[in-house]
Amino acid sequence: EAGVVQSPRYKIIEKKQPVAFWCNPISGHNTLYWYLQNLGQGPELLIRYENEEAVDDSQLPKDRFSAERLKGVDSTLKIQPAELGDSAVYLCASSLDRNEQYFGPGTRLTVT
Amino acid sequence: DAKTTQPPSMDCAEGRAANLPCNHSTISGNEYVYWYRQIHSQGPQYIIHGLKNNETNEMASLIITEDRKSSTLILPHATLRDTAVYYCIVRRPYNTDKLIFGTGTRLQVFP
Repeated sequence: EAGVVQSPRYKIIEKKQPVAFWCNPISGHNTLYWYLQNLGQGPELLIRYENEEAVDDSQLPKDRFSAERLKGVDSTLKIQPAELGDSAVYLCASSLDRNEQYFGPGTRLTVT
Repeated sequence: DAKTTQPPSMDCAEGRAANLPCNHSTISGNEYVYWYRQIHSQGPQYIIHGLKNNETNEMASLIITEDRKSSTLILPHATLRDTAVYYCIVRRPYNTDKLIFGTGTRLQVFP
């Protein structure tokens, strides 16, 4: 069974530029999570989807961050414009019925 | 979800048992203790979980005290590949809106 797939694995951009991350969850998993992980810290939830509906986006900075999960499968997280403080690892996870969460390898973003 | 306290770092010699402690004094009756680890440049990976009885799987053993206020994750024969950050999380199974990670314990296994 394939795991959670994320791309790109690494991204370097200049501040004020846009960036997008893509996640393909495990087949059949209805819940999808995006987490942010700063250096030396544990992951923190940004947004959770149940199928195609964003049911918890309270921690998503909506002035510059957006996300979508079309058709309840793949998801894209976007930042526009990126700031220096957005440098971090962005992790995607999926689960079946909100039980065990399976994480992808993450995308490491560096904003210069 | 209850909060947990873990030491920031630990060392372990290869081949020896690694015992990682976790305090969760505010755990409630319906919360389980879960352990995850995060190897460098990877996402967190589930290891084991338990409610009140000791648990063992192919990766590790979990010892939970009788009062459930603390637990210990045991890697019986640590290898260099076990070098990672280990997170102890208390949560309810199913209906989990999110995982609340602390800063975890950075385990360094040395030759």
